[in-house]
Amino acid sequence: EVQLVESGGGLVQPGRSLRLSCTASGFTFGDYAMSWFRQAPGKGLEWVGFIRSKAYGGTTEYAASVKGRFTISRDDSKSIAYLQMNSLKTEDTAVYYCTRSIGTTVTTFAVYWGQGTLVTVSS
Amino acid sequence: DIQMTQSPSSVSASVGDRVTITCRASQGISSWLAWYQQRPGKAPKLLIYAASSLQSGVPSRFSGSGSGTDFTLTISSLQPEDFATYYCQQANSFPWTFGQGTKVEIK
Repeated sequence: EVQLVESGGGLVQPGRSLRLSCTASGFTFGDYAMSWFRQAPGKGLEWVGFIRSKAYGGTTEYAASVKGRFTISRDDSKSIAYLQMNSLKTEDTAVYYCTRSIGTTVTTFAVYWGQGTLVTVSS
Repeated sequence: DIQMTQSPSSVSASVGDRVTITCRASQGISSWLAWYQQRPGKAPKLLIYAASSLQSGVPSRFSGSGSGTDFTLTISSLQPEDFATYYCQQANSFPWTFGQGTKVEIK
């Protein structure tokens, strides 16, 4: 059974940093692209960023709203994806979801989602 | 960025009704479109990918159609568990973008 478990959320002051982890199980982690999405309280879904598998270069893509502040990485040996969030703003407050792509070659659809972890940015 | 516009923003329907939700892209996205269902307090669930492919385990009352700029999600016979918010998402190019959501409510 595929499982994605996010951790690392919490309350953080504006300007500070936080690192989220997504621990995966039930599949060969290194074969799949991973993405992060978020949802502000009472709002719609927003894509945050994406990391390709090593087979496709392991490169990343980011939303403009987080580019330069957030970094996605992966540790295939531990089956963990990370979202490093720096210079946090109040508007980054959201539930953050980790997702896995639908396939190893079709990487564009998020078929598995974690339960989400809440990040609250407030002084 | 590609803008996705969903309509309606909400719909009131009864069990057994046919419900149709539309999604329009600001430019052509071929068939790079997904539909997600989100129940309150839960993570989104992939229903349809590649515009018309039913994700494994999703009931056949859900169907998707369209290509280019205009897409449709249809629920053929609404069930109690289908009352939720539905989002379309384009995956044609980065940044991936979502429609604003359609809330399906009980009439």
